[in-house]
Formats: sequence, structure tokens, C-alpha cells
Amino acid sequence: QVQLQESGPGLVKPSETLSLTCTVSGGSISSYYWSWIRQPPGKGLEWIGYIYYSGSTNYNPSLKSRVTISVDTSKNQFSLKLSSVTAADTAVYYCARVSFESSSFPPYYYYYYMDVWGKGTTVTVSS
Amino acid sequence: DIQMTQSPSSLSASVGDRVTITCRASQGISNYLAWYQQKPGKVPKLLIYAASTLQSGVPSRFSGSGSGTDFTLTISSLQPEDVATYYCQKYNSALIFTFGPGTKVDIK
Repeated sequence: QVQLQESGPGLVKPSETLSLTCTVSGGSISSYYWSWIRQPPGKGLEWIGYIYYSGSTNYNPSLKSRVTISVDTSKNQFSLKLSSVTAADTAVYYCARVSFESSSFPPYYYYYYMDVWGKGTTVTVSS
Repeated sequence: DIQMTQSPSSLSASVGDRVTITCRASQGISNYLAWYQQKPGKVPKLLIYAASTLQSGVPSRFSGSGSGTDFTLTISSLQPEDVATYYCQKYNSALIFTFGPGTKVDIK
């Protein structure tokens, strides 16, 4: 079964760039969307952005100016870069697979959902 | 920008009780809604997608309903292992996802 594993530094200095990688094992990165989500301590979930295996992306408008998500299909990995970090970016960062399926009858709609999650990695922003 | 609200923000119920959590969108979102369960210290888990489709392996005591702006997640008979925070999540045609603020469920 597909498993996801986040990796990257657990401590980042303010104003620097946070970089994380999610490695997909047990399946191919192709034909799916892949997403990053974060959760500050004691708070709720915040979607950061997604990348399709082909490379198309979209981001949370509130983070768009600082976020870049990329994919390396040869390594079955996708990555997150978040620039100019502050203490407010301290969080558990999750990667997740976004699956989709169509409705059974026309008109055909697509339903998207995050069905496989990594275990999460804690990133602290501090000098 | 469509906002998501959840009510209540927290609840406490007895084992065996029927529990209902509401998620409301500020504009209609058809049935582009999913529900997730996050147990304390654990990874979020998909429960329901397309507002009412139960994810494989999820106990049948969980159900979802609604369309447009109002959605509900129901636990028909609350179990101790259901202690968790529950999040709704919507998306739009650009695949911009938004999570609700969460509802924390405890055992009385």
C-alpha cells in the first residue's frame, strides 16, 4: 500500500526558507495530485498547496507568494519550499495524496479527497 | 472567498449517543465536501468524501449528508475510540482546499 514520508530540517531560522520532501513508496506518484498541509501547535489544519504529477500546481492564496511545490517523478518525491519564514510557520507539516473519482451518472463531477497521509514532521522556526 | 464554519466547536457525549456535527459553507459548494477525523497526537484520517460517501474501512456508524451550504457528520453510536477532532474540508473548481475549524468530540 502507498506510504508517504516527510523529511527535512526540524529547525529553521526566521527569514530563511523551509524545505521539505515527501517520498512516496509502495506506488507511483503518477496519476495523482499531491498536497502539503500544516497544523500549528494546538490549532487546526491549513492546506498549503498541491502539485499534479505532471507539474501543475495551485496554492493557498494566503501563502502563495512564499510557496513553491515541485515534483521529481524519477525519485517518486515531491517537495515544499516556504520562504521568509517566521514563528507563525512553526507547525507539523503533512504531505498527502489527493485521490479523485467521478460521479456515477452525467453530468460527471469529480470528487477529490486526501486519502493517504504521511506521519507529519515538526518544523520549528526559531533563531 | 467561501468560508467554512463548524458547530459546535466542541461537544461531550456519552458512549452510545448519536452525535451530529454541522459544517456550513458561506456559499453553495454542491457536494464537494470531505470529513476527516484526527485523534489526539495522530494523523488526520479520511472518513467521508463527496459529502456522503464512506471511505473504505471506515465504520458504518459514521455517515455524512448535505449539499449546497449545509452538511452534517453523524456518529450513530459514539464509541470511546471516536474521541477526536473532526474537520470538514471543501474544495472549488481550481482545487483550492479549505478546512473547517474543527469540532472536538469527547466522552462524557
